[in-house]
Amino acid sequence: SQTIHQWPATLVQPVGSPLSLECTVEGTSNPNLYWYRQAAGRGLQLLFYSVGIGQISSEVPQNLSASRPQDRQFILSSKKLLLSDSGFYLCAWSGRPGGLDFWEQYFGPGTRLTVT
Amino acid sequence: QKEVEQDPGPLSVPEGAIVSLNCTYSNSAFQYFMWYRQYSRKGPELLMYTYSSGNKEDGRFTAQVDKSSKYISLFIRDSQPSDSATYLCAMTGLGNEKLTFGTGTRLTIIP
Repeated sequence: SQTIHQWPATLVQPVGSPLSLECTVEGTSNPNLYWYRQAAGRGLQLLFYSVGIGQISSEVPQNLSASRPQDRQFILSSKKLLLSDSGFYLCAWSGRPGGLDFWEQYFGPGTRLTVT
Repeated sequence: QKEVEQDPGPLSVPEGAIVSLNCTYSNSAFQYFMWYRQYSRKGPELLMYTYSSGNKEDGRFTAQVDKSSKYISLFIRDSQPSDSATYLCAMTGLGNEKLTFGTGTRLTIIP
């Protein structure tokens, strides 16, 4: 079965410090991968989307970046954090349950980031 | 105007009550409609999905889609304290992997 891991689970970082969040997926190959941010009252905001190694689409211009160095590894980074970067960061992969024409997204446990 | 609108709540109801959660949307291309449940400090999990208009039932949960009104609902019968969570609606077009999410409704079932 497929499993998605994220770490760290929680993180407190000062403004201006760098960031690196990691996501890995087990049990599937060549998954489409996603980074979301969830802030209070704003729902899930899609940040980055990747269809393969080195292929990253940015959905929202900001001071964050993403990389996919391996098939099942997705990394979210920042060189200098802003207060507004605080939130709950979720990694997800998509698959078709039962071969239906429908893509379900499977989420990781998330990383809660507080920028102080 | 957001593509998907969802009342953020919070919504508190007594145990055993019927709960109604709703979303409206503006994109006519949406064909698949999903409800995700998210417990506190966890990632969302798919609860139910519906293709096009109609109803779908799964135990105590019923998902309803009215494409003519661009309105979807999730009903929870005989609500339990374990149903306390944030419920997010999500939708997408045919063959599209990206989902558009509502803001989520935080639900608390009071024992």
